[in-house]
Amino acid sequence: SSELTQDPAVSVALGQTVRITCQGDSLRSYYASWYQQKPGQAPVLVIYGKNNRPSGIPDRFSGSSSGNTASLTITGAQAEDEADYYCNSRDSSGNHLRVFGGGTKLTVL
Amino acid sequence: QVQLVQSGAEVKKPGASVKVSCKASGYTFTSYGISWVRQAPGQGLEWMGWISAYNGNTNYAQKLQGRVTMTTDTSTSTAYMELRSLRSDDTAVYYCARENIVATSNWFDPWGQGTLVTVSS
Repeated sequence: SSELTQDPAVSVALGQTVRITCQGDSLRSYYASWYQQKPGQAPVLVIYGKNNRPSGIPDRFSGSSSGNTASLTITGAQAEDEADYYCNSRDSSGNHLRVFGGGTKLTVL
Repeated sequence: QVQLVQSGAEVKKPGASVKVSCKASGYTFTSYGISWVRQAPGQGLEWMGWISAYNGNTNYAQKLQGRVTMTTDTSTSTAYMELRSLRSDDTAVYYCARENIVATSNWFDPWGQGTLVTVSS
């Protein structure tokens, strides 16, 4: 099955822009979806499809994709954005499976 | 509002089985599938499998094939995940999530609140 690779940890200064990346072969065929998870809480969808935000997600969150890499960008990071972020996509092996990245811990300094 | 409410925490002995429920409300249950995702303590998210609430079709993660069964009860809009032959490394929070699938993407929204399953002798 496919794998998705994320950097384990990223930091950003308050108000600055940060990009969190996700790499994998399946991303050449499928868009990633992105989830924010804060300690003790269930994950929350923040980006899906080409670059879609669910209702209630601030517009400082955006998504993009190129080749085998998907990116989640936070423009003007806020203290409340400190969380774990996971990417997900469908598996490209044809087995109708799904795969998550290992997650990125975002620290807002 | 669209909501998924899961059953409560469970403590099981190694070798036992556990069945977690996920009750949906606020949408037409049979119009979406449900995926199950688990998270071991301090670890990342692991996709376990998916069930169509429309026709009961399933896809399971390869590592869980033979130990997991996902079912639905459309009369109560409830999905179930049963995991058998439990081991200590099955200790995790188990989430259900409504899954949208289109041609080139999929996404999980919303998620249930999670069910902690502890496997311990």
